[in-house]
Order: sequence, then structure tokens, then C-alpha cells
Amino acid sequence: GQQVMQIPQYQHVQEGEDFTTYCNSSTTLSNIQWYKQRPGGHPVFLIQLVKSGEVKKQKRLTFQFGEAKKNSSLHITATQTTDVGTYFCAPTQYDRGSTLGRLYFGRGTQLTVWP
Amino acid sequence: ETGVTQSPTHLIKTRGQQVTLRCSSQSGHNTVSWYQQALGQGPQFIFQYYREEENGRGNFPPRFSGLQFPNYSSELNVNALELDDSALYLCASSLDLAFLPFQETQYFGPGTRLLVL
Repeated sequence: GQQVMQIPQYQHVQEGEDFTTYCNSSTTLSNIQWYKQRPGGHPVFLIQLVKSGEVKKQKRLTFQFGEAKKNSSLHITATQTTDVGTYFCAPTQYDRGSTLGRLYFGRGTQLTVWP
Repeated sequence: ETGVTQSPTHLIKTRGQQVTLRCSSQSGHNTVSWYQQALGQGPQFIFQYYREEENGRGNFPPRFSGLQFPNYSSELNVNALELDDSALYLCASSLDLAFLPFQETQYFGPGTRLLVL
């Protein structure tokens, strides 16, 4: 399956600071999805990026897809304690001739926010 | 909430036993994928079912098998359990967007936490 590297693996920030996690692939991606998993929880879908250079915003969260569709980032402005969790990027891989994809998750970035 | 449910929520088994995990997808979601998430790792793709047939498999041995039923429910079966099978098992359902390819979203259930002793 497609391999993605996610950095950093861990990030500790003070509440109010910004946070960014990066996702890098050696191959061109069809799309990429971002998920958040709270401690003890399950992955929750945040966003899907499909187009080259795409930028999407959700309140304090900004998602970017690189021009070459090989990297992506998630930026959180002014973190809050509710942002705690692990953020995963997950490109979708498709078999030839199929529109049904399967996700290949990175290891995630575990975010801790100190009040 | 995603509308995807899984049962049981927690399970303890011993090595060598067999286990069946269940998932109920959203109505109309004809694709279900199963993932295994070990502690501290991202979910790993096990296999995918589409309209009751297996549609792809990750790097898991044959003792991991599945079924999908017409009522949007599915099962993951694991035979001859090993200690390393201890993990969170997640199912995710999606809609085949034939009219909008490569843009379907997968919605995860809460998972089943399996502990093999």
C-alpha cells in the first residue's frame, strides 16, 4: 500500500499556540483524508482533499494539499484543550479499474495541549 | 455520529480461540472496510467488501476472514487467535460514488477492543 510519513510524531503545545502536522508521500496521491482520534476513541473524519493545491478551512483548522499531490498539512490556529488527540492523514489507494478505495494511514501526530 | 455501530465494544479471548466481530453500516452504504489498529499505530487495512464480495485485502493471513450481508451488516472472523491480534478493530462504511469517483468518504464505527491472553 501507499506509504506516507507523518511528522512530527508527538507535539506538545501551550493552549493558544498554533500546531501543524505534515504528511509526505513519495508517490502522487489521488486524494487524502484527515482524521482525528481522541484518546480511547475511534477515527473521526475531518476533511478530504482531492485537487492539486487545494486549501480548505474548518474554523481554526486549515488543510492543504500540495501542488504535486504528494504532501499535505493540517494547521490549527490557537489550539484549545479540545484539540487533544491524534491526527492521521490517510491517502486512498485504488486498484486498477476500481473506484472503491482503501485507506492507508500514517502513524499520526499525537497532540497534547497544556492549559 | 456516523451511523456505524460495532459489537461487542470489548472482548477478551485466549490464544487459539476464534472470534467474530460485527458491524452495522449506514443504510445504502454498500462498501465496508475493516481495519486493525494496534496500540500507538495508525489503522491497518485488513479487507474490503462490496455488495457481499471481498474487494481487496491487505497484508493479513487467511485466518482473518469476513462476510457482508444484504442488510448492510458485516462480520470479521479471526481464527486461531494470537497474542499480536490484540488491537482495536474498526469497520468503516462508504457509499460507492460511481458518479463522483475517487471522492468517497469512509465513516468509522466506534470499534471493538480485543484482548488476547
